[in-house]
Amino acid sequence: YELTQPPSVSVSPGQTARITCSGDAFSKQYAYWYHQKPGQAPVLVIYKDNERPSGIPERISGSTSGTIVTLIINGVQAEDEADYYCQSTDSSGSYPVFGGGTKLTVL
Amino acid sequence: QVRLQQWGAGLLKPSETLSLTCAVYGESFTGDAWTWIRQSPEKGLEWIGEINHAGSTNYSPSLKSRVTLSVDTSKKQFSLKMHYVTAADTAMYYCSRGRLLYGDFLGFDTWGQGTLVTVSS
Repeated sequence: YELTQPPSVSVSPGQTARITCSGDAFSKQYAYWYHQKPGQAPVLVIYKDNERPSGIPERISGSTSGTIVTLIINGVQAEDEADYYCQSTDSSGSYPVFGGGTKLTVL
Repeated sequence: QVRLQQWGAGLLKPSETLSLTCAVYGESFTGDAWTWIRQSPEKGLEWIGEINHAGSTNYSPSLKSRVTLSVDTSKKQFSLKMHYVTAADTAMYYCSRGRLLYGDFLGFDTWGQGTLVTVSS
């Protein structure tokens, strides 16, 4: 994958989860984040690095630092348990690519 | 609020043609990138290609030789054909809207329910 994510992240309820995604694309391109629960289609949770679509709670945010982007979930709840995918474009900026996904486990 | 509903054959034999269609409900068909994305345990989420209301297309370089996208604006539907499928094409296939606003890409904000396509002899 052109975008690298940790396979898993675990947090206790109420804590802050940080899921990173690294890739050269982020030095020039925006980051997008999706969550996906079993048997469901992905859902957009962050676009253009740190914008939230309507209906996504404020405790979900995004940050960037060079070639690493981070999805931050404050006050993690059981309902946040899902797979999370980052997305940007390939190194030439021609087409979308996704990270391999991170499984967020709420302990 | 836009909604996507997709359909197509779920079981194919090697060398056959995968054919899926996605209908768009609720909003205008113009201005966005109507997209196909697939997901498998081996390759994760993989962008296949996109088409707009005018029929302009972009394809993944790795699939371009086998994929054709088409659009029917009168029905607000877009379709995917993938030729000469193999077991490696077994995946969940999703249609999606790539939201565009004044040239800015705002993400894949709406997805179909998915179609599991299995290629097996």
